[in-house]
Amino acid sequence: QKEVEQDPGPLSVPEGAIVSLNCTYSNSAFQYFMWYRQYSRKGPELLMYTYSSGNKEDGRFTAQVDKSSKYISLFIRDSQPSDSATYLCAMKAAGGSYIPTFGRGTSLIVHP
Amino acid sequence: NAGVTQTPKFQVLKTGQSMTLQCAQDMNHEYMSWYRQDPGMGLRLIHYSVGAGITDQGEVPNGYNVSRSTTEDFPLRLLSAAPSQTSVYFCASSPESGNTIYFGEGSWLTVV
Repeated sequence: QKEVEQDPGPLSVPEGAIVSLNCTYSNSAFQYFMWYRQYSRKGPELLMYTYSSGNKEDGRFTAQVDKSSKYISLFIRDSQPSDSATYLCAMKAAGGSYIPTFGRGTSLIVHP
Repeated sequence: NAGVTQTPKFQVLKTGQSMTLQCAQDMNHEYMSWYRQDPGMGLRLIHYSVGAGITDQGEVPNGYNVSRSTTEDFPLRLLSAAPSQTSVYFCASSPESGNTIYFGEGSWLTVV
């Protein structure tokens, strides 16, 4: 079992839908949780970053962490075709190595 | 507003040739790293550095060499290219906290 699991998709939704992207993990030491968006033939870009449990909102994006279930989510409201990309989760323990553990990414397609 | 700059963007090599992928960052980040990304495999860490003069191996270091003589630069050397090294390579940098990572635009390498 990989340390971080992420369904590769593709996830196809109509424009305007609410999208839920998820990752599960096994390492209870993870404290920092990140979401990256990667457009085709581009480098990943940091979308959101949260520490420990709870929610964080940024415009149409909400990141949610449930440490008791070892489950994180990224919600996209009012999805747009421009949201079509691969979304990677990443997580890291506090202190120690700075190297995060990445999920393999979920491909999202938002069709008009 | 350069961030992390990688060159070249595209390269075709013959088996056995050597080459260097260049990476430079202008954010004064201590931590830099190289990843390769292959379909279905996600991001895999090749080598990383926690500061000038300090490098360490990641998950898939074989066939690659790195050095870090300055804070800004972190070149990746392919010693004797093999078709298995056909991939897209991403350089990344991170501040000391390591909680956010900034990626370059990628270098697409084909070994024939």
